[in-house]
Amino acid sequence: GAVVSQHPSRVICKSGTSVKIECRSLDFQATTMFWYRQFPKQSLMLMATSNEGSKATYEQGVEKDKFLINHASLTLSTLTVTSAHPEDSSFYICSALLNRPSTDTQYFGPGTRLTVL
Amino acid sequence: AQSVTQLGSHVSVSEGALVLLRCNYSSSVPPYLFWYVQYPNQGLQLLLKYTTGATLVKGINGFEAEFKKSETSFHLTKPSAHMSDAAEYFCAVSAPGGGNKLTFGTGTQLKVEL
Repeated sequence: GAVVSQHPSRVICKSGTSVKIECRSLDFQATTMFWYRQFPKQSLMLMATSNEGSKATYEQGVEKDKFLINHASLTLSTLTVTSAHPEDSSFYICSALLNRPSTDTQYFGPGTRLTVL
Repeated sequence: AQSVTQLGSHVSVSEGALVLLRCNYSSSVPPYLFWYVQYPNQGLQLLLKYTTGATLVKGINGFEAEFKKSETSFHLTKPSAHMSDAAEYFCAVSAPGGGNKLTFGTGTQLKVEL
């Protein structure tokens, strides 16, 4: 159980275009999802917290107008990279929060490799 | 504020040898602690977590970790390494009531040699 999927797994786009990445919790409902960015050989950096039915909360330094997050249902959050540039090339990983009596735990998707040419 | 320090960005062990990956944390409140594993070009998989109670936590794939409050540590161990254990390992901390946000360490790349 607690499976999270991401689509697409890889995407290559031209500079100036927009790219949408989907994150789905397949076997549980998640009111909260998280979006991370990971540069090569580095750790995960939290970009934003996505809350179902409300606006996302962005971490300091993350441009909300560039990284649009929509959490329209209890199983789906989307991240849209608008007007992408080569510096946006990265590995984007989402997680979904599974609520349990003992503690809530994040389960991660397999990631999306974005390359902007 | 919380932080995580993983000593040793690269660790190499022989197959069958003990695996020890170090993690120290800093937190103003009793933390929740996690170990995740990441295989190349994949997301993170939860190995184990500590919230409250027993300080020795057993996880998947034969891994375990012990929460030592006095040492502010949560080191990950496995008695006998297997080739399939080669991966990147991340220690993470969250604060109860902190919105479930995770703060990750910089990761340790584990190499297993024949």
